Amino acid sequence: QVHLVQSGSELKNPGASVKVSCKASGYTLSNYAINWVRQAPGQGLEWMGWIDTNTGNPTYAQGFTGRFVFSLDTSVDTSYLQISGLQTDDTAVYYCARATGGGYFDLWGRGTLVTVSS
Amino acid sequence: EIVLTQSPGTLSLTPGERATLSCRASQSVNSGYLAWYQQKPGQAPRLLIYAASRRATGTPDRFSGSVSGTDFTLTISRLEPEDFAVYHCQQYGDSRLSFGGGTKVEIK
Repeated sequence: QVHLVQSGSELKNPGASVKVSCKASGYTLSNYAINWVRQAPGQGLEWMGWIDTNTGNPTYAQGFTGRFVFSLDTSVDTSYLQISGLQTDDTAVYYCARATGGGYFDLWGRGTLVTVSS
Repeated sequence: EIVLTQSPGTLSLTPGERATLSCRASQSVNSGYLAWYQQKPGQAPRLLIYAASRRATGTPDRFSGSVSGTDFTLTISRLEPEDFAVYHCQQYGDSRLSFGGGTKVEIK
């Protein structure tokens, strides 16, 4: 069976950094792009961007430049989302999702809750 | 960026009824590249429909998608108890992907 396995919930102080992992299980990470999606509490889904899992080239959506970094370690079939300078409004569930067919998401991780609070 | 507007925000229906959910795009979506996802509380979204009308593997045939111009529709022919959830549309016809705001289908 194929899965995307995400790291566990995080509680961080404002100004700190966090790194969320997303491990491909049951398939090879480099065969599909990985996208990142944010969902703030009680809100809709927000596309953050994607990373080309062959080249490692990231593309960031508007509003997710500067403090957000996508990266890869293909040796362990894992993609990462790092957020620096955390703010309280970064509190959200962060999902990784596998893109196929030009850009729809056929496989999602279970999400990682990042809570930013002092 | 293509803006997707979903309506209504909430749909209150009873099991067995027909649900019609709308997703309107601010401009043409290339090749009808629109997907629908179902999300239940505490869970990740699940792909239902892609390319406007193609059911994903495992999607029951009571779910159908259609398109007319920039108006996309998800129809659930007869609501089952497990269908009460939030539904999101997403376009991938533009390199800047985007989601609609979601429609909650709740039990009346």
